[in-house]
Parts: sequence; structure tokens; C-alpha cells
Amino acid sequence: EVQLVESGGGLVQPGRSLRLSCAASGFTFDDYAMHWVRQIPGKGLEWVSGISWNSVSIAYGDSVKGRFTISRDNTKKYLYLQMNSLRPEDTALYFCAKSPGEVRLYHYMDVWGRGTTVTVSS
Amino acid sequence: DIQMTQSPSSLSASVGDRVTITCQASQDINKYLSWYQGKPGRAPKLLIHDASTLETGVPGRFSGRGSGTDFTFTISGLQPEDIATYYCQQYDSLPLTFGGGTKVEIK
Repeated sequence: EVQLVESGGGLVQPGRSLRLSCAASGFTFDDYAMHWVRQIPGKGLEWVSGISWNSVSIAYGDSVKGRFTISRDNTKKYLYLQMNSLRPEDTALYFCAKSPGEVRLYHYMDVWGRGTTVTVSS
Repeated sequence: DIQMTQSPSSLSASVGDRVTITCQASQDINKYLSWYQGKPGRAPKLLIHDASTLETGVPGRFSGRGSGTDFTFTISGLQPEDIATYYCQQYDSLPLTFGGGTKVEIK
């Protein structure tokens, strides 16, 4: 079964850091680009970042550029999101999602995890 | 950035009704549009990609059409298990952007 399981969320103070992880199973992880998408409470979905299979192509949404870093470890089948300088407006449910392609980041997402909740508050 | 305007934001319909949701892009996105179903506590589910291609295993009562800037998503015969929020997403260019969502409820 193709599965994505996020972890690492929690309560953090503004200005602090947090690293999210996404464990992939049931498919050849290094054949596909991956994404992080978030859902702010009571609002819709917002694309956060994407990374190609070989980490050569990486992109970020404007609201997180310069603060968040996406990475992956293909040997361990893990996707990561390092979040620095967190702000209250980063409070959201963060989803890990798989792309159907290897390289192109402008794609749909065919498999999603259930998400991990990040709360930024003092 | 490409803005995706989805409407309505919510709707209430009876079991068996035909339900239609629209999504308008702020510029031409060709056919690069997908539709997702979101339920609380569950992973979002891809229903349709390339505007009209149904994902394997998705019931045939779901359909999509459109190209360019105007797209529609239809549930032909609403079922109780279809209660969810539906989102469109463009993938013509980065940043990827989503519509605001349509919450579908049973009347």
C-alpha cells in the first residue's frame, strides 16, 4: 500500500524552529518529486514547497521563502521540512504529498498523508 | 501567481442530486487542473487530473471538464459518503495554487 506518514508537528513559540518528517512506503520513493502543502485552520490549501527526485529542482511558496528548507533522503525514504523563524501565521496542518512525476514540480499530487499539526504560539 | 476562484464556497443538496462546482483561473492554464476531496482527519484524495481524467478507483459519478480558464466539477447523484470539501488546483506554473474549497453538505 502506498503510504505517507508525517511527524514532527507540535506547539512552538514564535521565532523558533521545527523539523517535519514524512516517511514514505509502498512505492519507489526516489522515482518521484515530493511536496509539502498546508491547511491553515478554517481556510483552504496552500502549497509550501516541492523537490524533485534528485533534489536538483526545489521551489517554495512566497510566504515561506527564506525561512523553510525542503530536503529528502532517498536511502531512508524520508522527506523533510525544516521550518525556521516560525510565525503565528504558519500555524497549520502540514501535508506531505507525492507527485506522479520525477522532475517537474508543477504537477498535481496523487498521494497525500494525513498531516501533522504545527501550532506557533507564545 | 495564478489565482484560482472556486464557487460556491459551500452548498447543501439532497442525496441523488447533481452537484456542480466551478473553478476559474486568473490566466490560461490549458488543461492543467486537478480536483481533490478532503475529509477531516483523512488524507486528501485526488479525484481528477488534467481537468477531466478520473483517477483509477474513483466512482464514475464524479466528472470534470473545461480548459483554459473555466472548469467545472460535477457529482452526478450525490451520495452520503461524498460529504467533504472539494478543492481545485492548477499546475500550469509555480507556485501551485488551490481554489478556496467548496464544502458539500447533505440537505
